[in-house]
Amino acid sequence: DAGVTQSPTHLIKTRGQQVTLRCSPKSGHDTVSWYQQALGQGPQFIFQYYEEEERQRGNFPDRFSGHQFPNYSSELNVNALLLGDSALYLCASTPRGSRIPLHFGNGTRLTVT
Amino acid sequence: KQEVTQIPAALSVPEGENLVLNCSFTDSAIYNLQWFRQDPGKGLTSLLLIQSSQREQTSGRLNASLDKSSGRSTLYIAASQPGDSATYLCAVRPILNAGNQFYFGTGTSLTVIP
Repeated sequence: DAGVTQSPTHLIKTRGQQVTLRCSPKSGHDTVSWYQQALGQGPQFIFQYYEEEERQRGNFPDRFSGHQFPNYSSELNVNALLLGDSALYLCASTPRGSRIPLHFGNGTRLTVT
Repeated sequence: KQEVTQIPAALSVPEGENLVLNCSFTDSAIYNLQWFRQDPGKGLTSLLLIQSSQREQTSGRLNASLDKSSGRSTLYIAASQPGDSATYLCAVRPILNAGNQFYFGTGTSLTVIP
């Protein structure tokens, strides 16, 4: 039973470019959340998707957008990359409304140069 | 806005020692609290989840307590081992607009010396 899988594991982009990160939730999970973790910091909530719609959003600009597909997988898109977007991007999944623990993937390390 | 603080930021102990990690949060209106472990450059592994109605949870050598009224949680690790070396993060899930928005502390970096 695969857990949460994210791709790619590492990515290097240039300032101003656009990037797409991908996440497949754990089997049986339909809710996907994205977090940004800067070096030495705790993760910060970006947004959450279920039923293919953004349901909740943290304090991130519109340059951060997402999508959820019918198979519950999700993408995080970041436009007009800034140096400050360099971080570990984590995807987490749960069954909707569940009280079970949040399951995280291993993340995508994005470096913006 | 919920703020989560973890003390100490770093901790170094000899193998075999029992230790306590602290987490405090500013708003007691939480749905649950979760402790995670993070190895360098890796994702988060869930250790213990405490619902707001619970006082503690135990898993093996780990015990987490929750005092919601005072806004505090502790993670107790018994008989520490070098393999316990990692960063430990606590996160709270607010009642309002719960969703999956957890608020995280900045973590305690633990080093267990053989």
